[in-house]
Amino acid sequence: EPEVTQTPSHQVTQMGQEVILRCVPISNHLYFYWYRQILGQKVEFLVSFYNNEISEKSEIFDDQFSVERPDGSNFTLKIRSTKLEDSAMYFCASSPSGGIGTGELFFGEGSRLTVL
Amino acid sequence: GEDVEQSLFLSVREGDSSVINCTYTDSSSTYLYWYKQEPGAGLQLLTYIFSNMDMKQDQRLTVLLNKKDKHLSLRIADTQTGDSAIYFCAEGRAGNMLTFGGGTRLMVKP
Repeated sequence: EPEVTQTPSHQVTQMGQEVILRCVPISNHLYFYWYRQILGQKVEFLVSFYNNEISEKSEIFDDQFSVERPDGSNFTLKIRSTKLEDSAMYFCASSPSGGIGTGELFFGEGSRLTVL
Repeated sequence: GEDVEQSLFLSVREGDSSVINCTYTDSSSTYLYWYKQEPGAGLQLLTYIFSNMDMKQDQRLTVLLNKKDKHLSLRIADTQTGDSAIYFCAEGRAGNMLTFGGGTRLMVKP
């Protein structure tokens, strides 16, 4: 069964360092997303991406965050200068449609980021 | 803003039915979802219901939606120990920006 894959599964970094989290969405999907879950808190929407541009972003997704689809298969989340409060599980998701199509939204297993 | 609330914990015996409840505030929700998260794993899409439906059944899972009361429930029939996990309710609008509840931890006792 097709699945969303994410790497790395866990990354530890020093505060102020740049981090890139990678995702390979399901191959025929067109809409891509990043969500995050800080330990003990709810899963929160960060950003949606379609047709090589950001569709929507939340207040969390400030200037230190960026997303890219560099090669038609990978979908990356870059955090430019990490802060302690960026420590969280980051989930990538993909969907065949972004509107009211099938409603199916599939998540990867997550990348745990620990900022020291 | 939008909010989704769930009870924190549910404990049932193996073979019993489990009912996990969720309330949401956004009346413009298009889809409502149930995701399952096992320890150390990602979010597994269990089922979802379009907002103009009242009920959806999928094998052991039954989803009930009361749109008037903004109440969603997930019933798991014949609950097994493998069903032990955290269950997240989420509501979504066009664009698939989901708002998640805090999750209900289901513990199934043998």
